[in-house]
Amino acid sequence: GEQVEQRPPHLSVREGDSAVITCTYTDPNSYYFFWYKQEPGASLQLLMKVFSSTEINEGQGFTVLLNKKDKRLSLNLTAAHPGDSAAYFCAVSAASSSFSKLVFGQGTSLSVVP
Amino acid sequence: GGIITQTPKFLIGQEGQKLTLKCQQNFNHDTMYWYRQDSGKGLRLIYYSITENDLQKGDLSEGYDASREKKSSFSLTVTSAQKNEMAVFLCASSIDRNTGQLYFGEGSKLTVL
Repeated sequence: GEQVEQRPPHLSVREGDSAVITCTYTDPNSYYFFWYKQEPGASLQLLMKVFSSTEINEGQGFTVLLNKKDKRLSLNLTAAHPGDSAAYFCAVSAASSSFSKLVFGQGTSLSVVP
Repeated sequence: GGIITQTPKFLIGQEGQKLTLKCQQNFNHDTMYWYRQDSGKGLRLIYYSITENDLQKGDLSEGYDASREKKSSFSLTVTSAQKNEMAVFLCASSIDRNTGQLYFGEGSKLTVL
């Protein structure tokens, strides 16, 4: 079945620097990709949903890149600020089955230092 | 919008004890999920339910039971808590079971003494 590897497990950057989190997956039929953000003591909130047809997705203060050839998904926070400090999880699902099971990465704990 | 409410937020039990976690959602979503979150291991699926009274095992179902008696609620039971077990259990629901977009509760933290 699908396996997802997320790196790095911990990341510390200075305010204003960029931060990159990467996930690799194994199932070439994967079709939907997600990034979730979890602030301390809070639930996971959807950051972005990506379809396999779109390679570059831009949000507010971040970019998500999808490289289907290398089966790699990355989250790039540009000019990180302390409010970005949280745990980030990627998740991958394949829509070919009648039920789409999400497989999560191991998570990255991001700390943005003022 | 809607909300997913998990109770209790913190649960402390004894080894061998049966412990139950509850989850309520008012999204009117059909599909609900229970995940276990361990540090450094991401989220692992324990049970999910496509509709009322439906139960499906996930990757980590051994040692757990689940119950979906109403569309809005989904319960998870740890059948025999293991000593030194500590994890966060996350309940989620999805608007569409084919695209995998989930909405999560805040979690229930289990500690076994």
